[in-house]
Amino acid sequence: ETGVTQSPTHLIKTRGQQVTLRCSSQSGHNTVSWYQQALGQGPQFIFQYYREEENGRGNFPPRFSGLQFPNYSSELNVNALELDDSALYLCASRGGGARGGNEQFFGPGTRLTVL
Amino acid sequence: QQQVKQSPQSLIVQKGGISIINCAYENTAFDYFPWYQQFPGKGPALLIAIRPDVSEKKEGRFTISFNKSAKQFSLHIMDSQPGDSATYFCAAQYSSASKIIFGSGTRLSIRP
Repeated sequence: ETGVTQSPTHLIKTRGQQVTLRCSSQSGHNTVSWYQQALGQGPQFIFQYYREEENGRGNFPPRFSGLQFPNYSSELNVNALELDDSALYLCASRGGGARGGNEQFFGPGTRLTVL
Repeated sequence: QQQVKQSPQSLIVQKGGISIINCAYENTAFDYFPWYQQFPGKGPALLIAIRPDVSEKKEGRFTISFNKSAKQFSLHIMDSQPGDSATYFCAAQYSSASKIIFGSGTRLSIRP
């Protein structure tokens, strides 16, 4: 069984640019969530995807958007990058549908630095 | 809006001692309270979780104590080991939804 994988591991961008982060969910998991973890803080929920549709969103502006593909993998896109977007971006997957089981499995994250 | 408050921010415990981390929540609609462990360079991993209809749950050296009336819960790590050195996050969740609300984290260091 393959765990949650994310790419790239690290990324450096400049303010105003756009970035795409990728996530492959754990085998059999159809629900993917994205979190932003600033340095020294707990992760904050960005949004969740189920059956290729956004199904819940945290307090993040529209320039944070996502996609989920038929194989349940997912992308996080951030437009017009700001310095405060520098963080570890975590992907988590779980099975059982949008209202399925509680346990979520996190990937290792992508470290984004905005200069 | 911080819905889950966690303390202390950092903790140093001698090997073999008891590590205690405390959390408080605000929303009584939460019905699932997990604890996550995070090592440097890794994502958080579920350690142990409890529902509010029980006051205590124990798994090996890890115990959650839950006080529903006070809206507080805590993690106890017995016989703490150097391998337990990590950042611990308490969290709250609506069991029917994915959104996990994390505390701010406790950096635990176990001295050999």
